[in-house]
Parts: sequence; structure tokens; C-alpha cells
Amino acid sequence: DTEVTQTPKHLVMGMTNKKSLKCEQHMGHRAMYWYKQKAKKPPELMFVYSYEKLSINESVPSRFSPECPNSSLLNLHLHALQPEDSALYLCASSTPGGGTEAFFGQGTRLTVV
Amino acid sequence: EDQVTQSPEALRLQEGESSSLNCSYTVSGLRGLFWYRQDPGKGPEFLFTLYSAGEEKEKERLKATLTKKESFLHITAPKPEDSATYLCAVLMNTGFQKLVFGTGTRLLVSP
Repeated sequence: DTEVTQTPKHLVMGMTNKKSLKCEQHMGHRAMYWYKQKAKKPPELMFVYSYEKLSINESVPSRFSPECPNSSLLNLHLHALQPEDSALYLCASSTPGGGTEAFFGQGTRLTVV
Repeated sequence: EDQVTQSPEALRLQEGESSSLNCSYTVSGLRGLFWYRQDPGKGPEFLFTLYSAGEEKEKERLKATLTKKESFLHITAPKPEDSATYLCAVLMNTGFQKLVFGTGTRLLVSP
């Protein structure tokens, strides 16, 4: 099973709302990632968790707050977002540090109004 | 500066018309190169991993090759269902799993 599950598939939120994106994998991977993808652009790395610890934060604004409660789950908490934050948010997982492929979820399409 | 460039940006083929997509990279300490397929509004789907120059991988109508400076994704006798954006990504030698993606090639295969 090479499945990474993301919920919700679509999310519309106002600039004053607080919402969370969820990601789950059961492949035993100990590295999990959040990527952001704008239309017609490649995915851009936001955060990397390795063994449930934050390893990389690509200078992401504090209105995005990641959380890794256990080895299977990854959350992205959203607060006070801007319309330009509207994008496809992708979660991925892989074996940590081993140079192996990352498997992606189907993404959450976020629209900030 | 580390860079990943894909060409062409878009490619239109007739069904059965073979072609190749290019991924050029200038990175220090390449740890791996990956090819993904992405359908509109969906997450990238893993296709191949290549680690060293001369390596080749095949899957159905797709074949990926790697040299020291570039990778090619060869598509033989494509079908309309092969229409998608094809992304290459390189794994940086940072000690952590950091993928840097190219801008992709949008492939359209017409019947």
C-alpha cells in the first residue's frame, strides 16, 4: 500500500478563520512533508518532519503551523491566511535520509476568501 | 545555485508518436533523481528513481535514463491516457530529504 491520505480534499476559509489540514500514511515512513503548489508551478517544500521532529522549515510564515503527533499523522494548522495562500497543499512521506522516493497524497485545494 | 530545468514546457503528440522529455540539473551532491506524473488537481504520482549516470528504468511505455547532467523520459507509442504533466525532482545532499522540482512538461496526446 503506497497511499497517503489527505483531508479535506477542498477547503474554503476566510482570512480570520482557523482550520487544519490532515495527512495520514501507513507505510511505516518516518519522514513526512508539506509542499505548496500554485497553479502551473512545481511543488515547493514547506516543512520536513523526520522521526516526528521538525527538520526543515523553509522560512514559512508563522500563520502556517505544522504538527506531527505520531509517526503516521501530519497536520498543518492554518490561521489568519491571506488570499495569496490559496493553493494545492500536498503531503508526502518517505524513508528518512535514505534517498528513496517520496509518495504524495492527492492534496487539499485551499481557497482563502 | 542548484537548478532543475525541464524542456519542453509543453508538448503535443499524436497517439503513437514517440518523443522524449528532458530534465537538466546543476546541483552539488546529487543523491537521486525522480520522475513523477501529475494529473490536474491531483498529487504527483511516483514513476522512477535514478541514482547514477548510465542507469535506466522502464515501465510500460515510459523509459527514464540518467547522465551526469541530465535525465530523459522517453515515451514510446504514447496513448491519450499518458496526457499529464511530468515532473522531475532532484534530491539535495542536505542530510534531509529535500526534493527540488523542475517546472514540468505538460504532455497532451491526441487520438
